Amino acid sequence: TQLLEQSPQFLSIQEGENLTVYCNSSSVFSSLQWYRQEPGEGPVLLVTVVTGGEVKKLKRLTFQFGDARKDSSLHITAAQPGDTGLYLCAHTGNQFYFGTGTSLTVIP
Amino acid sequence: NAGVTQTPKFRVLKTGQSMTLLCAQDMNHEYMYWYRQDPGMGLRLIHYSVGEGTTAKGEVPDGYNVSRLKKQNFLLGLESAAPSQTSVYFCASSYISGGAGNEQFFGPGTRLTVL
Repeated sequence: TQLLEQSPQFLSIQEGENLTVYCNSSSVFSSLQWYRQEPGEGPVLLVTVVTGGEVKKLKRLTFQFGDARKDSSLHITAAQPGDTGLYLCAHTGNQFYFGTGTSLTVIP
Repeated sequence: NAGVTQTPKFRVLKTGQSMTLLCAQDMNHEYMYWYRQDPGMGLRLIHYSVGEGTTAKGEVPDGYNVSRLKKQNFLLGLESAAPSQTSVYFCASSYISGGAGNEQFFGPGTRLTVL
């Protein structure tokens, strides 16, 4: 059973389009993290959200933590080829659980 | 600073062979982790360590052993490799575990194929 479910699993869009990916669970989390992993590399932390309803922005990326702290979303505005990669949400607790990931391809 | 390094980067084994993956970090982190990454499965925790001389099981520990004799090193061993252990293995470290604001730093990964 996967603790963190991410959707969609794959996403291919044209440069300049907007997109949203989701991270869902039936469990309540004290915080969630989003990582990005480029091909051939390890994941790199993008953001941590800790408060229900919290919205954080990182340039063209907007992260939201659900009010009930069970889900999170990542919205990318005007996607660029450099955004291509695997986006992983993660639960931070006594151990780390990672979601299944969304593989994003931005076509120039 | 090199961050987290892993050796080797690639390895091909035959079923039944053994090998050890080495992870090293130069950030003086207390916590270290070994994950495996398979298509459609995300990252799954194999074993982790909360400090020198300690180890603990993660989500998928069977078939693997670990050791943390020095704070900066975390070794992952496969005693008798099986095709099901074909995967990409990532090591990570963090200053603390859990809570807000914690960040895991990952190595570049080791791609292991078991024939």
